[in-house]
Amino acid sequence: RKEVEQDPGPFNVPEGATVAFNCTYSNSASQSFFWYRQDCRKEPKLLMSVYSSGNEDGRFTAQLNRASQYISLLIRDSKLSDSATYLCVVNLGTGGFKTIFGAGTRLFVKA
Amino acid sequence: NAGVTQTPKFQVLKTGQSMTLQCAQDMNHNSMYWYRQDPGMGLRLIYYSASEGTTDKGEVPNGYNVSRLNKREFSLRLESAAPSQTSVYFCASSEVATVGYEQFFGPGTRLTVL
Repeated sequence: RKEVEQDPGPFNVPEGATVAFNCTYSNSASQSFFWYRQDCRKEPKLLMSVYSSGNEDGRFTAQLNRASQYISLLIRDSKLSDSATYLCVVNLGTGGFKTIFGAGTRLFVKA
Repeated sequence: NAGVTQTPKFQVLKTGQSMTLQCAQDMNHNSMYWYRQDPGMGLRLIYYSASEGTTDKGEVPNGYNVSRLNKREFSLRLESAAPSQTSVYFCASSEVATVGYEQFFGPGTRLTVL
């Protein structure tokens, strides 16, 4: 089982739609969580951190469910510019450094 | 500020050739990383340097070596390239190598080994 699993998609949605992505992680020692965005043939960039209480940044809402070990990202009122791959990222709190990247979920927003 | 820069952007090697990928950051970050990204897989950590003067293996270190030249620069060397090393390589940096800190990525190097 992969340490971080995401539905690869692609998700094809019309402009204005609401779309949600889920991500599951296997290690209960995971301590911090992020969503990164990666445009085609570009580098990943931080979209938002994910906090235990849930957090929102404009049209984007992230939720964390530690009991079920999953993270979600909700995008409201999708824009063409939201088309990208969304990477779920988990930091482990064990000794040493360990960040696990999911393989990503592809989103296409169409006019 | 340029952020994280990488050279070269593209490279084609023949099996057995060697090369060094260069990475530099101007954000005064302590920690730097090298990842590879292959289709259908998440980024995988090759090596990282938590601070100047230290380097540690990541998930997939075989076939690679690194040098933390100074606080700004972290290079990745392929001593004898193999087709399995065809990938996109990303360098990243963060303030520290501790949970919760954002990583900033360079634009990547697309490497093909024939």
